[in-house]
Amino acid sequence: GEDVEQSLFLSVREGDSSVINCTYTDSSSTYLYWYKQEPGAGLQLLTYIFSNMDMKQDQRLTVLLNKKDKHLSLRIADTQTGDSAIYFCAEGSQGNLIFGKGTKLSVKP
Amino acid sequence: SQTIHQWPATLVQPVGSPLSLECTVEGTSNPNLYWYRQAAGRGLQLLFYSVGIGQISSEVPQNLSASRPQDRQFILSSKKLLLSDSGFYLCAWSGGAGVAGELFFGEGSRLTVL
Repeated sequence: GEDVEQSLFLSVREGDSSVINCTYTDSSSTYLYWYKQEPGAGLQLLTYIFSNMDMKQDQRLTVLLNKKDKHLSLRIADTQTGDSAIYFCAEGSQGNLIFGKGTKLSVKP
Repeated sequence: SQTIHQWPATLVQPVGSPLSLECTVEGTSNPNLYWYRQAAGRGLQLLFYSVGIGQISSEVPQNLSASRPQDRQFILSSKKLLLSDSGFYLCAWSGGAGVAGELFFGEGSRLTVL
């Protein structure tokens, strides 16, 4: 069945870049998503990429998609303490998304 | 604008007791509705989804059930809770005018079974 894998933890210093990686198995997904979960809260869509794109940039966020390797990454430039959260990679369509286990990003001052 | 509410936010229940978590969506009609569970170390697991009133699909066999008595109301229930039911339960909806397939999540309900 479909599966989404991502590392569980990432720690960076404030001002550095963060790169969160994800691999997935379902090549038929129309979109791939990054959701952000702040402590004790629900998830919110952070950014997404259409499956026929290689890269998407949105202010400090850069999403890279390698369809051949089924690899998705999220780069956060100039990481701030407010970026500390759990980041979920997700694939799917029609709202039936498969989520990874989430990467907890810790930003140290 | 659309909003989603779920309650209670926090719940501590003894093993064997019943459970009812409620979720309502405002500002949209005929949404797809979802219940997810987030357990420590296991990520986000889809429990149930519904495409319409009275239509419930279950993703995993378990001690829980779901119902959709009204278009924008989704209820998660159990007759007898188990310790393994502890977790953070998230209701979500989709079908809005945003990104295709985007899910909109509630704030979550943290359940502790003792």
